[in-house]
Amino acid sequence: AQTVTQSQPEMSVQEAETVTLSCTYDTSESNYYLFWYKQPPSRQMILVIRQEAYKQQNATENRFSVNFQKAAKSFSLKISDSQLGDTAMYFCALGSEKLVFGKGMKLTVNP
Amino acid sequence: GAGVSQTPSNKVTEKGKYVELRCDPISGHTALYWYRQSLGQGPEFLIYFQGTGAADDSGLPNDRFFAVRPEGSVSTLKIQRTERGDSAVYLCASSLGNYNSPLHFGNGTRLTVT
Repeated sequence: AQTVTQSQPEMSVQEAETVTLSCTYDTSESNYYLFWYKQPPSRQMILVIRQEAYKQQNATENRFSVNFQKAAKSFSLKISDSQLGDTAMYFCALGSEKLVFGKGMKLTVNP
Repeated sequence: GAGVSQTPSNKVTEKGKYVELRCDPISGHTALYWYRQSLGQGPEFLIYFQGTGAADDSGLPNDRFFAVRPEGSVSTLKIQRTERGDSAVYLCASSLGNYNSPLHFGNGTRLTVT
């Protein structure tokens, strides 16, 4: 069975600072994708960034980057220059068509 | 362009009633997914369609839950004899259906069973 664990239920950060969200996972698949989704109060799950497991290079998307440690089964998200609009629930997910999500982490960016 | 549309946005029903939740995927997306998100949890997979057929329905919790996609576009999730434990946000997503195609989610339907 595939599992995703987000051990930090909540974090807060000051605007313009950097914050790291942690995620660990378990799977027996040899190739898979890892994702970070953002869920604002509108409820829509918005894809932030994704990483294909066989690619060693860490994915980056503007202010968002990941630290993918395949052997440790760790997939953390770093948000640089935090903005007020980054305030949301963040979910780590694993899979391809059928995603397995973690419980989520509430991030608050304070002015 | 238009994203994934889910209707209604909110639905309140009484225990024991039947409900239908609708999902309009992005035009051209062949794959469609239903997830359920209970309070304080991440989304949980329910069912996945490729075209008109259910490719994987292993996440449906019991036989009260059923989903259809008769023309390969719009999908309806049907819940019979609703129970209070069915209260959750039901999320729909669609994709191009290739292995590396990202999922695009709708805003979900919040179902409350009283």
